[in-house]
Amino acid sequence: DTAVSQTPKYLVTQMGNDKSIKCEQNLGHDTMYWYKQDSKKFLKIMFSYNNKELIINETVPNRFSPKSPDKAHLNLHINSLELGDSAVYFCASSQDRLAGETQYFGPGTRLLVL
Amino acid sequence: AQKITQTQPGMFVQEKEAVTLDCTYDTSDQSYGLFWYKQPSSGEMIFLIYQGSYDEQNATEGRYSLNFQKARKSANLVISASQLGDSAMYFCAMRAGTNAGKSTFGDGTTLTVKP
Repeated sequence: DTAVSQTPKYLVTQMGNDKSIKCEQNLGHDTMYWYKQDSKKFLKIMFSYNNKELIINETVPNRFSPKSPDKAHLNLHINSLELGDSAVYFCASSQDRLAGETQYFGPGTRLLVL
Repeated sequence: AQKITQTQPGMFVQEKEAVTLDCTYDTSDQSYGLFWYKQPSSGEMIFLIYQGSYDEQNATEGRYSLNFQKARKSANLVISASQLGDSAMYFCAMRAGTNAGKSTFGDGTTLTVKP
């Protein structure tokens, strides 16, 4: 059973296109996240949702729009893709937003913008 | 502001030996959690071990242990009896009380286990 799943696993697209990445967790967790890992492997938080409410938005360009239809899903839509958006995008979830709660990551979506 | 520092970009260890991966952290919060993740070449992020700021005992999970020295603000990962499959990138991360909605990650350490 996959705990945190993401689709698609790979995404190759042209500059200027709009794309979406979907994330689902079956752990019953309240809090979900999007992270970006760049080519140097640096991991940085983008967004965090708790019970469908946005709680963290880390100065991400407004071309990126997360959406949480329910607490098991957190999707990421990206408008007008740029070359610099090429990265691995990880979805994660945790029981809640407390400091002691472990985040569990999805397998990642490898986005390549040409 | 929260900060995680991993000073070892790359480490080598002989198979079956123990290795320590360094991690220091900085936060003004009293309540925080420290985590280690493994990222093999296949790319997934695998949770390894957790230490809470109020935990008095060092955390252990199988061959992994966390050497937590609160006064020095360090949370080093010790892997005992290294295996070839331990070759991967290892990330130290922290979640702190007032802004626990996110984790701050270090830059990672690439561990290579030699046969």
